[in-house]
Amino acid sequence: AQSVTQPDIHITVSEGASLELRCNYSYGATPYLFWYVQSPGQGLQLLLKYFSGDTLVQGIKGFEAEFKRSQSSFNLRKPSVHWSDAAEYFCAVGARPRAGNMLTFGGGTRLMVKP
Amino acid sequence: DTAVSQTPKYLVTQMGNDKSIKCEQNLGHDTMYWYKQDSKKFLKIMFSYNNKELIINETVPNRFSPKSPDKAHLNLHINSLELGDSAVYFCASSRLAGGTYNEQFFGPGTRLTVL
Repeated sequence: AQSVTQPDIHITVSEGASLELRCNYSYGATPYLFWYVQSPGQGLQLLLKYFSGDTLVQGIKGFEAEFKRSQSSFNLRKPSVHWSDAAEYFCAVGARPRAGNMLTFGGGTRLMVKP
Repeated sequence: DTAVSQTPKYLVTQMGNDKSIKCEQNLGHDTMYWYKQDSKKFLKIMFSYNNKELIINETVPNRFSPKSPDKAHLNLHINSLELGDSAVYFCASSRLAGGTYNEQFFGPGTRLTVL
């Protein structure tokens, strides 16, 4: 069965600083990987996804993520954080279609932004 | 136009009651899901329906009964509510047909509080 670990429960960065959120996955085949963001009291919004091809993927709001198969990682990055980026971030791995398109989420990382 | 909508947004009820949460998607997707997010923000899939047929049932108590009257709707009925059912319930949808993995789109969530 697949699993996702987000080692950092909370991260605080200063506005304008760079950001990296870590995600490690366990899956027996080529993974489908996602980063979602959840603002307070809101639903989940897809930031970016990796299915195949270029291992560096660009997403919305200036985010990017890099897939590293050798490290089973899919870390999320942003060069300059804005106060509006404060939210909960979830990494997820998707099972193949025959398993019903199931998403398994990590425990989330709460990002706080200092002015 | 809202892609995935849920009603109600908030639901406060007493232990032992029966309640329903409704979900509708206007994306033309063939697969819908229910996820539960607990108080620690951990997200876990509960059910998935493809073309009105149950394809994922993740060891959820049988007090929870999903019903899909058509491809655009997936409702969640909960009998004999317990304190531990308090959580945010998210509906999602995706397209399963085509043999490839497709991203899931999430609704805004329903916050259920059982007193």
